[in-house]
Amino acid sequence: AQTVTQSQPEMSVQEAETVTLSCTYDTSESDYYLFWYKQPPSRQMILVIRQEAYKQQNATENRFSVNFQKAAKSFSLKISDSQLGDAAMYFCAYGGNAGNMLTFGGGTRLMVKP
Amino acid sequence: DTAVSQTPKYLVTQMGNDKSIKCEQNLGHDTMYWYKQDSKKFLKIMFSYNNKELIINETVPNRFSPKSPDKAHLNLHINSLELGDSAVYFCASSQGLAGAEETQYFGPGTRLLVL
Repeated sequence: AQTVTQSQPEMSVQEAETVTLSCTYDTSESDYYLFWYKQPPSRQMILVIRQEAYKQQNATENRFSVNFQKAAKSFSLKISDSQLGDAAMYFCAYGGNAGNMLTFGGGTRLMVKP
Repeated sequence: DTAVSQTPKYLVTQMGNDKSIKCEQNLGHDTMYWYKQDSKKFLKIMFSYNNKELIINETVPNRFSPKSPDKAHLNLHINSLELGDSAVYFCASSQGLAGAEETQYFGPGTRLLVL
């Protein structure tokens, strides 16, 4: 079974600075997908970014980018120019070939200081 | 327009009661899911339906019964509610069954509190 680990329960960053959230996973599959979801206090789960394992190029979405290290099974999220609205829980998720379910990490709470 | 909607947003009930949570998606997706998020924020898949057929049924007590009247709806019925059922329940949907290639879109969640 796949597992996803987020080793940082909480992180804080100064507004306008850059922060990196860590995620590691364990799998024996070669084809899979990785996701970062954001959960603000409203509880809505919002897709931030996704990465296909077969792509070597790291995904980027505006201020959000990932560092995908397939051999190391690492998938970190970098948030540049942090904004107050970035404060939320961030979940790393793995999607493989065994059905279409997502396996989530335990989440990292990001606080943004003004 | 809300893509994936759930009702109710909050549900407070007594132990032993039976309750339902409704989910609707207007994205034209074929696959819908239920996830449970416990008090420690841990999210876990419960069920997955594709075109009204059950695809995934994780280790969930049979007090939980999903019902899909059509592919735009996946309701969750819970019998004989227990304290441990208190959680936030998320509905999600995706276009097809191509594994995780299909991005899942989540509803706003339903916070269930069992007293």
